[in-house]
Amino acid sequence: GESVGLHLPTLSVQEGDNSIINCAYSNSASDYFIWYKQESGKGPQFIIDIRSNMDKRQGQRVTVLLNKTVKHLSLQIAATQPGDSAVYFCAENTAGGTSYGKLTFGQGTILTVHP
Amino acid sequence: KAGVTQTPRYLIKTRGQQVTLSCSPISGHRSVSWYQQTPGQGLQFLFEYFSETQRNKGNFPGRFSGRQFSNSRSEMNVSTLELGDSALYLCASSLVGVNTEAFFGQGTRLTVV
Repeated sequence: GESVGLHLPTLSVQEGDNSIINCAYSNSASDYFIWYKQESGKGPQFIIDIRSNMDKRQGQRVTVLLNKTVKHLSLQIAATQPGDSAVYFCAENTAGGTSYGKLTFGQGTILTVHP
Repeated sequence: KAGVTQTPRYLIKTRGQQVTLSCSPISGHRSVSWYQQTPGQGLQFLFEYFSETQRNKGNFPGRFSGRQFSNSRSEMNVSTLELGDSALYLCASSLVGVNTEAFFGQGTRLTVV
């Protein structure tokens, strides 16, 4: 049959606003999570990661929050800029200690920042 | 420090042909993983290599294969190409160790006609 593309969630914000991108992960045994940013024509770019023994981790203008009770991850971007416009993916390591690089990705969220 | 390098960037192949894609990891990274990205399925894990051995494999048919060389460079091969194999193929490298970040290359855009 005809394939249907994923309908990605979208988030539109004004420049200077704070952005929050959410992600529900699937495996309660996952112990490592990463947020990636992907711009058109490029590969995913690492933003920030968090291990399951943490609830919060901050980077430069970004904060990741992890709620293991409800299997929820969020990425907060402070003072969003037009250059932040991209597709954002959360990823989880579902292979535990057996893998260094096997990640399961969420469907992605399209962030558009308006000047 | 050079990033992950994938070659070629773009490729057009005919249905039924085979294709080989190449990935050079970041210097010092010995784990290499491959992913397929399509509009319909998103980013999906293909396989992972470390020490020239496949450590994990995703849910793809046997037409998809890979290998890793002693210098950690990796290749993936798709035989008997189908139209549905058209995708962006991404390679990621990471240090050896549990829960270390994976860095991606720019990808190879494969179009099967």
